[in-house]
Amino acid sequence: DVKVTQSSRYLVKRTGEKVFLECVQDMDHENMFWYRQDPGLGLRLIYFSYDVKMKEKGDIPEGYSVSREKKERFSLILESASTNQTSMYLCASRPDGGELDNEQFFGPGTRLTVL
Amino acid sequence: AQKVTQAQTEISVVEKEDVTLDCVYETRDTTYYLFWYKQPPSGELVFLIRRNSFDEQNEISGRYSWNFQKSTSSFNFTITASQVVDSAVYFCALSDSNTGGFKTIFGAGTRLFVKA
Repeated sequence: DVKVTQSSRYLVKRTGEKVFLECVQDMDHENMFWYRQDPGLGLRLIYFSYDVKMKEKGDIPEGYSVSREKKERFSLILESASTNQTSMYLCASRPDGGELDNEQFFGPGTRLTVL
Repeated sequence: AQKVTQAQTEISVVEKEDVTLDCVYETRDTTYYLFWYKQPPSGELVFLIRRNSFDEQNEISGRYSWNFQKSTSSFNFTITASQVVDSAVYFCALSDSNTGGFKTIFGAGTRLFVKA
């Protein structure tokens, strides 16, 4: 049974804190993604990675960074959390590279609240 | 630019009713893929279907069916005889060669409530 897991389902942090969101997949997928989901906006891509140590900015990378030291793990980092980063964060993985037709496999999401 | 529009924010139906979720997309590419995902209350998006731009055949899978029409840039999803377990947020999505296939553009989602 293929799986994408995220380190926390719920997280509460204070403004200015450094926040780490971890994602692990067990499918040996090359591609991994971080999205944030907000009401009325759908899913917006923050960063993606197509290989170990490789990363590309998505549509809303400001205030975020990522790390991919191992193929199965993709971390999202909020260097200094702000209240406008309160959101649901979804991690996904996808097999192969650059192909259009592969679906993504999603984790259960982390609901982050920044106070 | 690529865009996916799901104009219906929320839909509420009574069990056993049929319901159609609309999806309209924009792309300048001739090669692209369209997807539908389901997000149940547990939060994890689940893949339902993919369709490529060269295949306009409609598809049926049990109570689910999809109508792809390039002429209107639409990829609508119909649930026949809805059930309470169909209650979820449904996302339509697009990927095309302009984004190298890495970026999938998601619509805002349609929240479906099916009441018993």
